[in-house]
Amino acid sequence: SYVLTQPPSVSVAPGKTATISCGGNDIGSKSVNWYQQKPGQAPVLVIDYDSDRPSGIPERFSGSNSGNTATLTIGRVDAGDEADYYCQVWDSSSNHPVFGGGTQLTVL
Amino acid sequence: EVQLVESGGGLVQPGGSLRLSCIASGFTFSSYAMSWVRQAPGKGLEWVSAIAGDGFNTYYADSVKGRFSISRDNSKNALYLQMNSLRAEDTAVYYCAKRVGIWFDYWGQGTLVTVSS
Repeated sequence: SYVLTQPPSVSVAPGKTATISCGGNDIGSKSVNWYQQKPGQAPVLVIDYDSDRPSGIPERFSGSNSGNTATLTIGRVDAGDEADYYCQVWDSSSNHPVFGGGTQLTVL
Repeated sequence: EVQLVESGGGLVQPGGSLRLSCIASGFTFSSYAMSWVRQAPGKGLEWVSAIAGDGFNTYYADSVKGRFSISRDNSKNALYLQMNSLRAEDTAVYYCAKRVGIWFDYWGQGTLVTVSS
């Protein structure tokens, strides 16, 4: 089945920009969704269709997708952004969703 | 306001059974496919099962096929997951999630299933 690869961890200083990658074979031909999960909480959708922000998600969150890599970008990071982030696509060959392994974002 | 409230988790011995429930509110339940997604302690998200809005089509991850059964009662706005022949590796928090298109826009708070003797 389709495999999504994320770095286990990313660190960024407050006020800087964080980028989290999600790799997959020709992922640019798929639509990528991103979820934020804070400790002890359920996941929250932060980006759908590669780059669309659901209602209530700050403009600091953006996404892009091309080739073999999709990217979640978080601008002006603050401590409240510390969380695990998961990418997700729909695997048409198996007809079910696939999640990446998750990336833990640490704000230094 | 959309709400998804899971229940039914607990401690069960290997080989045992458990039935999870998810009660939905704040949207037209029968119009949406629903899924169960689990998360083992300290691990990532794993899709488990899905069911179409009308309940006629169901889907399962290979890891649970033949052991788990998903169903829904649209008259009660309820989603269920019957889990049989449980194994230690099924230990996880189980989330119900509302699907829109190819993503999940709302998730419940989760219910913990622990399989241990």
